[in-house]
Amino acid sequence: EVQLVESGGGLVQPGGSLRLSCAASGFTLSSYSMNWVRQAPGKGLEWVSYISSSSGTIYYADSVKGRFTMSRDNAKNSLYLQMNSLRAEDTAVYYCAREDAVANTDYWGQGTLVTVSS
Amino acid sequence: EIVLTQSPATLSLSPGERATLSCRASQSVRSNLAWYQQKPGQAPRLLIYGASNRATGIPARFSGSGSGTDFTLTISSLEPEDFAVYYCQQRNNWPPITFGQGTRLEIK
Repeated sequence: EVQLVESGGGLVQPGGSLRLSCAASGFTLSSYSMNWVRQAPGKGLEWVSYISSSSGTIYYADSVKGRFTMSRDNAKNSLYLQMNSLRAEDTAVYYCAREDAVANTDYWGQGTLVTVSS
Repeated sequence: EIVLTQSPATLSLSPGERATLSCRASQSVRSNLAWYQQKPGQAPRLLIYGASNRATGIPARFSGSGSGTDFTLTISSLEPEDFAVYYCQQRNNWPPITFGQGTRLEIK
């Protein structure tokens, strides 16, 4: 069974940092591109970042470019999102999501809540 | 950036009725459009990809149509579990991958 489990969320002050992790199981992570998508409380979905299977291509939304860094460790079946210089508007549930062979986001984790507040 | 506009924002229907949800793109996305269902407290679930292909395990009452800039998600006969928020998503011109703002399907 494919599973994605996010962790690392919590309460952080504006300007602070957090590192989110996503543990993958039930499939070979190294074969798949992955995304982070976030959802502010009561709002819609916003794509945050993409990483190819080999980490050769990484993209970011303009809203996080220069502040967030996406990475992966295929040997550990894990995906990461390093978030620096956090702002109140980064408050959201962060989901990791797998892309299938035709770039559909076919599996999502249950999300981890990040709250940026003083 | 391609903007996806979903309508209506809220749709109130009864079980057994037919639901028609719309997604319009600010420029052509060809057939590179997907639909997701999200229930409260849950992650989104892929329903339709490539505008008209049902994802694995999705019931036949869900269908998608359209290409270019205008797309439709149809639920032929609503079941109680279908009341949720529905999002369209494009990845024809990306980054960024973009989502519509969502349509809330509620019980009338």
